[in-house]
Amino acid sequence: DILMTQSPSSLSASVGDRVTITCRASQSISTSLNWYQQKPGTAPKLLIYSASTLQSGVPSRFSGSVSGTDFTLTISGLQPEDFATYYCQQSYNLPRTFGHGTKVEIK
Amino acid sequence: QVTLRESGPALVKPTETLTLTCIFSGFSLSTTGMCVSWVRQPPGKALEWLALIDWDDDKYYSTSLKTRLTISKGTSENQVVLTMTNMDPVDTATYYCERMRGRGYSLSGGYMDAWGKGTTVTVSS
Repeated sequence: DILMTQSPSSLSASVGDRVTITCRASQSISTSLNWYQQKPGTAPKLLIYSASTLQSGVPSRFSGSVSGTDFTLTISGLQPEDFATYYCQQSYNLPRTFGHGTKVEIK
Repeated sequence: QVTLRESGPALVKPTETLTLTCIFSGFSLSTTGMCVSWVRQPPGKALEWLALIDWDDDKYYSTSLKTRLTISKGTSENQVVLTMTNMDPVDTATYYCERMRGRGYSLSGGYMDAWGKGTTVTVSS
């Protein structure tokens, strides 16, 4: 199975900050990487697929990039509604695997 | 509008078999590229992918749980059923079903763009 190593596990940030979350795959997965946002008590929501394609309706302050097996989710100008836990997931092969999540908290 | 809803028992005893049903609308599992998958989340922990069934009735499972899981299409064309045998307290979790969209005929690069609200299952005697 492909191991997805996500960092940091948590971070504290203020409204307006630029936030970066990284995810490293244990092998090459091309651009087959999705990002999900989960707020407490709710189901995850797709933010970005194929490493950098924004899902319809997702604000443009969210962006994704890739360099080799390292993937980055960036939030440019953190908003109050962005405080949540973020998960990466590889979609290169089956079984699918998730990172362990990054909790973004209010500083 | 795509919707999914999970149903099943809230409480099961250790060693019992769990049966969960996902009822969906807004898409057809017969359409090329369409899949339904299951993900679970123990309290306070990360998401764990469990299983997937695709438009061609091919099935895929978590490596660590594949001996205990069965995914199948239900009696209605808008249902998917997941069974998990030999339940243990560590299987206590919220179980979600999702629509996964493949990329044409390929599952590689697919993404889960619609999720149910989840159903909480507690395993306890």
